[in-house]
Amino acid sequence: KAGVTQTPRYLIKTRGQQVTLSCSPISGHRSVSWYQQTPGQGLQFLFEYFSETQRNKGNFPGRFSGRQFSNSRSEMNVSTLELGDSALYLCASSLAGGTQETQYFGPGTRLLVL
Amino acid sequence: AQSVSQHNHHVILSEAASLELGCNYSYGGTVNLFWYVQYPGQHLQLLLKYFSGDPLVKGIKGFEAEFIKSKFSFNLRKPSVQWSDTAEYFCAVNSENYGQNFVFGPGTRLSVLP
Repeated sequence: KAGVTQTPRYLIKTRGQQVTLSCSPISGHRSVSWYQQTPGQGLQFLFEYFSETQRNKGNFPGRFSGRQFSNSRSEMNVSTLELGDSALYLCASSLAGGTQETQYFGPGTRLLVL
Repeated sequence: AQSVSQHNHHVILSEAASLELGCNYSYGGTVNLFWYVQYPGQHLQLLLKYFSGDPLVKGIKGFEAEFIKSKFSFNLRKPSVQWSDTAEYFCAVNSENYGQNFVFGPGTRLSVLP
C-alpha cells in the first residue's frame, strides 16, 4: 500500500504570496490532518478533514485554510504569507480519524518564506 | 489548555546504554497516549500507543512505555539503545473530551554514539 504523499516537497515563496499544498492519503483513509512543525513551536495541529468536512481546527489564523475532495485528497492553503509561516507542513491520514487510530504521516512540504 | 511536556530536549547516550524519555500531559479524564519517532530524513512513524488495559505497552524495535495515571506520565524506555535509534522522539496525547486532534510534545532528540 502506498503511503501518504505530499506535494511539493519544497517550496520557496515571498511575503504576501499565497501557497497551496497537497496531500494524498493512504488508500481507504478518509481522515486527513495537517500539522505545522517548527523548531520553536514543535508540531502544532492545524485542522482535520473527514468526508470533505472540516471536523476539528487548531489555533491558527484564518489565513490557513484547507479542503478535502471526494477522493479524500486534501489541500491546504496559506494566504498572505508571513516570514513566520516558514515551516515543515505535515499531513497525516487515518481510516476515520478516531482518537485511538494510528495516524500515518507523509514526508512533509518544507516551505520557506523570504 | 491541554499540553504535553517532555523532560529532555537532547539526550546523548553510548550504544548499549539504557534509555528513558519522560513525557507528562495535563489532561483530565480519559486519554490516549502515543510515542512517535522521526528518524533523520524519514517520516514520523508510530512506536507504540496506549488506550487502556495493561499500563506497560510494548512497541516496535524493543521500545516500551509505562502509563502512570497518578503522575500523568507516559515514559518511553529501551533497555539497550543502538546507533540506529538516533532520532527525534515525540510524545502525543488525544482525548475524546477535547476533540480528536493530537497534541504533541516538543520532542526529544536522541543521539546514540557508536
